[in-house]
Amino acid sequence: DTGVSQDPRHKITKRGQNVTFRCDPISEHNRLYWYRQTLGQGPEFLTYFQNEAQLEKSRLLSDRFSAERPKGSFSTLEIQRTEQGDSAMYLCASSPPLLAGDGMVGNEQFFGPGTRLTVL
Amino acid sequence: QQPVQSPQAVILREGEDAVINCSSSKALYSVHWYRQKHGEAPVFLMILLKGGEQKGHDKISASFNEKKQQSSLYLTASQLSYSGTYFCGTGPTLPGGYQKVTFGTGTKLQVIP
Repeated sequence: DTGVSQDPRHKITKRGQNVTFRCDPISEHNRLYWYRQTLGQGPEFLTYFQNEAQLEKSRLLSDRFSAERPKGSFSTLEIQRTEQGDSAMYLCASSPPLLAGDGMVGNEQFFGPGTRLTVL
Repeated sequence: QQPVQSPQAVILREGEDAVINCSSSKALYSVHWYRQKHGEAPVFLMILLKGGEQKGHDKISASFNEKKQQSSLYLTASQLSYSGTYFCGTGPTLPGGYQKVTFGTGTKLQVIP
């Protein structure tokens, strides 16, 4: 399977604990995004990487959230001191490199299956 | 700014048509359409970039109005497999913006036999 993969698929934790999620994008994709989705809502943008550089962070991303993409391949999202409000589906998506001449033409984003976090 | 979708939900019988609208208060650089089935990740349908553009994908097509503030998704001769929640998403408002997508409020579509 060459799609986007995420691990774990489900995580149950107690309030105050730290959790870390991993995303492996499609191998030739240099752009990677994290989104959060709660029940009945659309995904909300959290952060964006181009290669290893984190180029944008949403204001939704409090200081308890940190994301890395150390070698421009897989990415991790860590939540420290989890709160019940952090319970959600965390989605990772990737996109291929922009082609010369595209300007900033949008490309499709390929989503992974998500990690469902439940904070008790 | 989150785009607004209408209707919020729709039930169709197989073979019927549906239109889902997506509106923004300001002009958009691009609009994206995704479908998400229950318990699954969103799946890309199409992107529209130009005012007046229309694009099709099987019996699902979309349009982007001239002012680039509204897009509509058209589902014709609906099939059971079309069931799911449809999200529009807006791309960066200016060229050079990063490709994050701001997703709309969603339209839940159910096709029944």
